[in-house]
Amino acid sequence: KNEVEQSPQNLTAQEGEFITINCSYSVGISALHWLQQHPGGGIVSLFMLSSGKKKHGRLIATINIQEKHSSLHITASHPRDSAVYICAVRSGYSGGGADGLTFGKGTHLIIQP
Amino acid sequence: DSGVTQTPKHLITATGQRVTLRCSPRSGDLSVYWYQQSLDQGLQFLIHYYNGEERAKGNILERFSAQQFPDLHSELNLSSLELGDSALYFCASSSGPLNEAQYFGPGTRLLVL
Repeated sequence: KNEVEQSPQNLTAQEGEFITINCSYSVGISALHWLQQHPGGGIVSLFMLSSGKKKHGRLIATINIQEKHSSLHITASHPRDSAVYICAVRSGYSGGGADGLTFGKGTHLIIQP
Repeated sequence: DSGVTQTPKHLITATGQRVTLRCSPRSGDLSVYWYQQSLDQGLQFLIHYYNGEERAKGNILERFSAQQFPDLHSELNLSSLELGDSALYFCASSSGPLNEAQYFGPGTRLLVL
């Protein structure tokens, strides 16, 4: 079973700061997802990646398959970025429970004005 | 709006009862995943259906069952409910059975009293 570790657990920053959230996993994967969960509970899929780097607006996600590590960066952070960011991985083999995602515990991000 | 709908939004019931949660995937998506989010366990994968067939099971209790109908909507049935079943239940849909982006519904908040 894959273990997914995120750091930091909690992060408070000032508006405009560059934010980095890290995710490490223990076993080979076929894909890694970054999700955003707002206080109301809804989950939004930000990125799915299996290699390299993806960018969407002020968000950037990178993955290093060899090091089993991914980072989510937020540039020019804004109070509306305040949310829980969750890393999730899909196993590198098919079948059984491997189809579903294994989730990290999430990073609680607060951006203060 | 992800295009995935879940009903009901909130459900309050008593121990020992049975409830049914419903999920309609995005138009054209063939996969439906069910996840449970509780305070102590975080997000966990329950079960995956693809085009009407069960594809994978995760940490789903024997008291829980699911199915996907010909019109691709899915239902998660929870029976003999216990206090510990109180959680947010999410479904997510994707276009295929493997490494596609998953789009999450708004969730059903279940409270067992």
